Amino acid sequence: DVKVTQSSRYLVKRTGEKVFLECVQDMDHENMFWYRQDPGLGLRLIYFSYDVKMKEKGDIPEGYSVSREKKERFSLILESASTNQTSMYLCASSSPGTTSYNEQFFGPGTRLTVL
Amino acid sequence: AQKVTQAQTEISVVEKEDVTLDCVYETRDTTYYLFWYKQPPSGELVFLIRRNSFDEQNEISGRYSWNFQKSTSSFNFTITASQVVDSAVYFCALKVWSGANNLFFGTGTRLTVIP
Repeated sequence: DVKVTQSSRYLVKRTGEKVFLECVQDMDHENMFWYRQDPGLGLRLIYFSYDVKMKEKGDIPEGYSVSREKKERFSLILESASTNQTSMYLCASSSPGTTSYNEQFFGPGTRLTVL
Repeated sequence: AQKVTQAQTEISVVEKEDVTLDCVYETRDTTYYLFWYKQPPSGELVFLIRRNSFDEQNEISGRYSWNFQKSTSSFNFTITASQVVDSAVYFCALKVWSGANNLFFGTGTRLTVIP
């Protein structure tokens, strides 16, 4: 059974804190993604990675960074959290090869609140 | 540029009614893939279906059916005899062959099935 797990379901942080969101997949997928989901905006891509130590900016990378030191783990980092980063964060992974064809598998999401 | 429009923000139906969720997409690529995902209250997006741009055959899976029409750039999703468990947010998404590996999501349609 394919699995994408995220370290926390709910997280509350204060403005200015450094925040780490962790994502782990057990499917040996090369590709991993971080999205944020906001009401009325759907899902928007923050960053993605197609290999260890590789990363590409998505549509809204400002204020975020990522780390991929191991194939199974993809971390999203908020260097200095701000209230406008309060959102639901979703991690996903997909297999390579005919990459465009393969669906992405999603984790349960982390609902982050920045006070 | 790629774009997915789900004009219906929220839909409510009474149990056992049929309901159609609309999805209109925009892309200049000739090779692309369309997806539907379901997001139940638990938060995790669940893959429902994938279609490529060369396959306009409609598909039926149990109570679910999908109508792909390139002429109108639409990929609509119908649930027949809706059930309370169908209550969720449904996302339509687009992936192009020539682009990066990410999905372009619509803003989602929240379906509520009333018992």
